[in-house]
Amino acid sequence: DIQMTQSPSSLSASVGDRVTITCRASQSISNYLNWYQQKPGKAPKLLIYTASSLQGGVPSRFSGSGSGTDFTLTINSLQPEDFATYYCQQSYSNPMCSFGQGTKLEIK
Amino acid sequence: EVQLLESGGGWVQPGGSLRLACAASGFTFSTYAMSWVRQAPGRGLEWVSAIGDRGTSTYYADSVKGRFTISRDDSKNTLYLQMNSLRVEDTAVYYCAKGTSDSGGIRDDYWGQGTLVTVSS
Repeated sequence: DIQMTQSPSSLSASVGDRVTITCRASQSISNYLNWYQQKPGKAPKLLIYTASSLQGGVPSRFSGSGSGTDFTLTINSLQPEDFATYYCQQSYSNPMCSFGQGTKLEIK
Repeated sequence: EVQLLESGGGWVQPGGSLRLACAASGFTFSTYAMSWVRQAPGRGLEWVSAIGDRGTSTYYADSVKGRFTISRDDSKNTLYLQMNSLRVEDTAVYYCAKGTSDSGGIRDDYWGQGTLVTVSS
């Protein structure tokens, strides 16, 4: 099984900051990596797929990069609505697509 | 507009059964793989099960294999999850998700709002 590890597990930031969240796979997954945003009580929302492709309707301040085992999600100029929990997901072993443990982004 | 609406959650005693349903609309249901993903209270996302388009293949996480059965009725645009021999650790919000696999990659691009399953004595 492919294990996904995110870091940090939580972070505090201010509106306007730039933040980066990291996801590491236990083996190479090429670029089969997706990012989701989840707000309390809501379903996850797809932000980025195939490591760097922006899902339709997602603001351009979100970006993704990486390949192989190491990936990053970057949010430029944080907005109040961006405070949420973020999950990476590997789709290399589709359909058995495992998730990272999540990164909670909180307001400083 | 793609919509996924789960139902069937509730409270059940350990060892009991529940059947979840996910009604889909806004896309050609039969041509897409579908998944169930769950989230225990205060925890992260856990992939549970998936079914190929037109029910070609089924897949299960080890934690539910032999107890849960995924199925679909393409005539009703509905996905199901039959859950038997439920355990306390199956308590979670269960989400259905639409899978897209194309030249752009593989991802769950739409999710339902979730249905809560509580297993407790």
